[in-house]
Amino acid sequence: KQEVTQIPAALSVPEGENLVLNCSFTDSAIYNLQWFRQDPGKGLTSLLLIQSSQREQTSGRLNASLDKSSGRSTLYIAASQPGDSATYLCAAYNQGGKLIFGQGTELSVKP
Amino acid sequence: NAGVTQTPKFQVLKTGQSMTLQCAQDMNHEYMYWYRQDPGMGLRLIHYSVGAGITDQGEVPNGYNVSRSTTEDFPLRLLSAAPSQTSVYFCASRHPEAWNEQFFGPGTRLTVL
Repeated sequence: KQEVTQIPAALSVPEGENLVLNCSFTDSAIYNLQWFRQDPGKGLTSLLLIQSSQREQTSGRLNASLDKSSGRSTLYIAASQPGDSATYLCAAYNQGGKLIFGQGTELSVKP
Repeated sequence: NAGVTQTPKFQVLKTGQSMTLQCAQDMNHEYMYWYRQDPGMGLRLIHYSVGAGITDQGEVPNGYNVSRSTTEDFPLRLLSAAPSQTSVYFCASRHPEAWNEQFFGPGTRLTVL
């Protein structure tokens, strides 16, 4: 059974710092891995999708990597801003097409 | 497009009461999902549908029913509410081939007393 874990559960950094959020999964037979952002009281917004044949994806200041052999994905945020404060969720698509979510990392970027 | 809409936004129930959480999408997406989100546990899949008339169970289906009579609507029914069903419920939809375009609704915050 696929399990997805995110560490740390919460992170506080000063504005301008580069940071890395970690995601690990137990079953390397994932189909795709996706990172989402969730603002308080809101739904989820998709940030980046990495297909199983890819190693990384980039969008602006965000870069997500995928290492299936080690069961890990990272989300790198460059030059963090207070507007980046949110909860970040990673989710793995299994071969049945269902999303398995991690618990999320709550990020706070202080001005 | 309104995207994925959910009603109500907030609901308080007493134990044993029943209710329906509404979800609708106007993007003609065949796939629709219901998740619940609890503190420290991420989102867990309750039920999903791959098209009108087709539904299947997810990870935590007990205590919930769904139906899919139209492409647009995917209601979630709580048959006899229990305090363990206190959670935030999210509906989502996507096109079958659009892996990176799963759209989520704003959620319904449910409290069962």
